[in-house]
Amino acid sequence: KQEVTQIPAALSVPEGENLVLNCSFTDSAIYNLQWFRQDPGKGLTSLLLIQSSQREQTSGRLNASLDKSSGRSTLYIAASQPGDSATYLCAVMGDGGSQGNLIFGKGTKLSVKP
Amino acid sequence: DAGVTQSPTHLIKTRGQQVTLRCSPKSGHDTVSWYQQALGQGPQFIFQYYEEEERQRGNFPDRFSGHQFPNYSSELNVNALLLGDSALYLCASSFTRTGGNEQYFGPGTRLTVT
Repeated sequence: KQEVTQIPAALSVPEGENLVLNCSFTDSAIYNLQWFRQDPGKGLTSLLLIQSSQREQTSGRLNASLDKSSGRSTLYIAASQPGDSATYLCAVMGDGGSQGNLIFGKGTKLSVKP
Repeated sequence: DAGVTQSPTHLIKTRGQQVTLRCSPKSGHDTVSWYQQALGQGPQFIFQYYEEEERQRGNFPDRFSGHQFPNYSSELNVNALLLGDSALYLCASSFTRTGGNEQYFGPGTRLTVT
């Protein structure tokens, strides 16, 4: 059974710092991995999608990497801003992705202080 | 281009009652998935609909049922509500035929059972 773990559960950093959020999964047979952002009480905003054949994806100040063999992904946020404060969720889709569902970690709650 | 929409935004029900939640997928998408997110947890997969049929189901009791209409919109029904059903219910849409399966989430429906 696939399990997704995110470390740390919470993180507080001063504005301007670069930071890394970690995600690990127990079954390497994944179809893709997505990183999401969730503001309090709101829905999920997709940040980056990495297909199983890819190693990384970049969007603006965000870079996500995937190491399928070790069951790890990282989300790198450069030059953090107070507006980046939110909960970041990692989710994997099992192989056979055309019928897949997403399995989520519990998230990392990020607070960026001005 | 409208994204995923959900209604209602908030709902308060009493134990034992029944509830129906609604979701309209992103334009061009043909697949709808439903997730339940308890406070402080990651979303958990309930089921997925494609071509008006339930294609995959998570570990949820039969009290949770759904439907997909010819226009790809979907409903989630929960019977005999329990206090533990209080959660944020998220709908996600995707396009099965192109593969990739990036899921786009709606803003959610906050259900409170008293």
